[in-house]
Amino acid sequence: AQSVTQPDIHITVSEGASLELRCNYSYGATPYLFWYVQSPGQGLQLLLKYFSGDTLVQGIKGFEAEFKRSQSSFNLRKPSVHWSDAAEYFCAVGALDNYGQNFVFGPGTRLSVLP
Amino acid sequence: NAGVTQTPKFQVLKTGQSMTLQCAQDMNHNSMYWYRQDPGMGLRLIYYSASEGTTDKGEVPNGYNVSRLNKREFSLRLESAAPSQTSVYFCASSETTGVYTGELFFGEGSRLTVL
Repeated sequence: AQSVTQPDIHITVSEGASLELRCNYSYGATPYLFWYVQSPGQGLQLLLKYFSGDTLVQGIKGFEAEFKRSQSSFNLRKPSVHWSDAAEYFCAVGALDNYGQNFVFGPGTRLSVLP
Repeated sequence: NAGVTQTPKFQVLKTGQSMTLQCAQDMNHNSMYWYRQDPGMGLRLIYYSASEGTTDKGEVPNGYNVSRLNKREFSLRLESAAPSQTSVYFCASSETTGVYTGELFFGEGSRLTVL
């Protein structure tokens, strides 16, 4: 069964600083990988996804993520953080099993942004 | 641009009461899901439906039942609510084929408190 870990529960960065959120997954085959963002009191919004091909994927709001098969990682990055990026970020892995499609989410990383 | 719509957004129940959370999607997706979100635990799958007419248990199905009423609608029922079911519930949908797993689209969530 697949699993996802996000080692950092809470990260604080200054506005304008760079950001990297870590995600490691466990899955026997090539996974489908996702990053979602959740603002307080809101649902989850897709930032980006990796299915195949180029291992560096671009998403919305200036985010990007890099798939590294050798490290089983899919880290999220942004070169310059904005105050509006303060939110919770979830990494997820999706796979097809005998019953259809299954997603597993990491526990999330809460991002705080200092002015 | 409705996407995934959940009702109600807020509900307070007493222990032992029953209720149904409603979910509808207008994207013609074949798969639908119910997740619960608790602090520090990410999203955990309660039930999912790979296609109309099928439902399967997820990670935390105890105390819940679901109905896939048609392709659009997927309801979650709590027959006898318990305080441990206090949580935020998210409905989601996705498009899947035999080899493709699309991303999840989420509703805005339903915050349930069981006293």
